[in-house]
Amino acid sequence: GESVGLHLPTLSVQEGDNSIINCAYSNSASDYFIWYKQESGKGPQFIIDIRSNMDKRQGQRVTVLLNKTVKHLSLQIAATQPGDSAVYFCAEIPRGYGQNFVFGPGTRLSVLP
Amino acid sequence: EAQVTQNPRYLITVTGKKLTVTCSQNMNHEYMSWYRQDPGLGLRQIYYSMNVEVTDKGDVPEGYKVSRKEKRNFPLILESPSPNQTSLYFCASSLEPTGELFFGEGSRLTVL
Repeated sequence: GESVGLHLPTLSVQEGDNSIINCAYSNSASDYFIWYKQESGKGPQFIIDIRSNMDKRQGQRVTVLLNKTVKHLSLQIAATQPGDSAVYFCAEIPRGYGQNFVFGPGTRLSVLP
Repeated sequence: EAQVTQNPRYLITVTGKKLTVTCSQNMNHEYMSWYRQDPGLGLRQIYYSMNVEVTDKGDVPEGYKVSRKEKRNFPLILESPSPNQTSLYFCASSLEPTGELFFGEGSRLTVL
């Protein structure tokens, strides 16, 4: 079936720098995307979502960008903090697939002091 | 406190011994789902439910059963567990079909 993938399985950034985590999706019919954060030993936590009729959405210190032309999704974290260290997943829902979220394999973000 | 509760959190069992992982949410969400998480594969959906008595297969339903007799509960049943079902399992719920998923803390299952 369709899959969502992530560039770079690991990412290391200096504390205070901005982080960019990328995601490529293959189903052009997907109309809803979410980013989740998973800390060690915990369940995933919602960060931010975006629908296909938008290109950009901002939250607190996070921005999600959607480029439908190249089927690319990115999560930008401003002023990265030690508490941002986690695995980040993107997920999509293909249109008409009810609640069948498709998750990417994840990117591990490490924040260096 | 709004939460999704799974039990047990850890379980070691043997091949063929039926087991149930319970999931309960206190947010009155209509949508609930089960995922398994394996290294390098991310989260894969097993089953989901859009309402009481309404369930549907996800991407990896083989070897699993679910039921949704009450809105708050969505148990995952392994009738005859096999070693390839050793995994970390997550239950999730949401208010809307394309809305934020609230995940439980996970249940780590080992089948010997």
